[in-house]
Amino acid sequence: DTAVSQTPKYLVTQMGNDKSIKCEQNLGHDTMYWYKQDSKKFLKIMFSYNNKELIINETVPNRFSPKSPDKAHLNLHINSLELGDSAVYFCASSSRGIQETQYFGPGTRLLVL
Amino acid sequence: GQQVMQIPQYQHVQEGEDFTTYCNSSTTLSNIQWYKQRPGGHPVFLIQLVKSGEVKKQKRLTFQFGEAKKNSSLHITATQTTDVGTYFCAYGSSNTGKLIFGQGTTLQVKP
Repeated sequence: DTAVSQTPKYLVTQMGNDKSIKCEQNLGHDTMYWYKQDSKKFLKIMFSYNNKELIINETVPNRFSPKSPDKAHLNLHINSLELGDSAVYFCASSSRGIQETQYFGPGTRLLVL
Repeated sequence: GQQVMQIPQYQHVQEGEDFTTYCNSSTTLSNIQWYKQRPGGHPVFLIQLVKSGEVKKQKRLTFQFGEAKKNSSLHITATQTTDVGTYFCAYGSSNTGKLIFGQGTTLQVKP
């Protein structure tokens, strides 16, 4: 049983395209997150949702739009992809908040050509 | 904003040698978490420390939280090839609601 799952695992696309990444957690957690990991492995939070409500929105271009249809799902849509968007995107969840253990998904490796 | 500095960035050791990574902050931290990311994998939670001077052990791994709660360390005794990966410290900022990660220490173990 996968706790936090993401699709797709790999995404190769052209500049200017729009793409979505989906995330689902079956842990019953209230809080979900999107992180971006760059080529130097630096992990940075992008968004956080608690019970479908956006609670953290980092300084991320508005081409990135998260959507949480219910507390078990958090999707990320990216418009007009740029070369600099190439990275690994991790979804994560925790039971209440940042003081709790975060469970990460397997990651989506995005390459923009 | 508040950051944690993690050193070293890379470490190559011979199998059987010990390894330590350090996490330092200029301000007091309420807690520190440690994660391990295997090559090609995702971060996996190892442990959380919350008390001043706390020491916790998991088999060959020893985690410490400094008395002033401004630094933490992870020490691996007698490394094995299965220890290869990147180790991250992270702290939860109650002000911002964010988990802030250090830059990570990538460990390579030569068999």
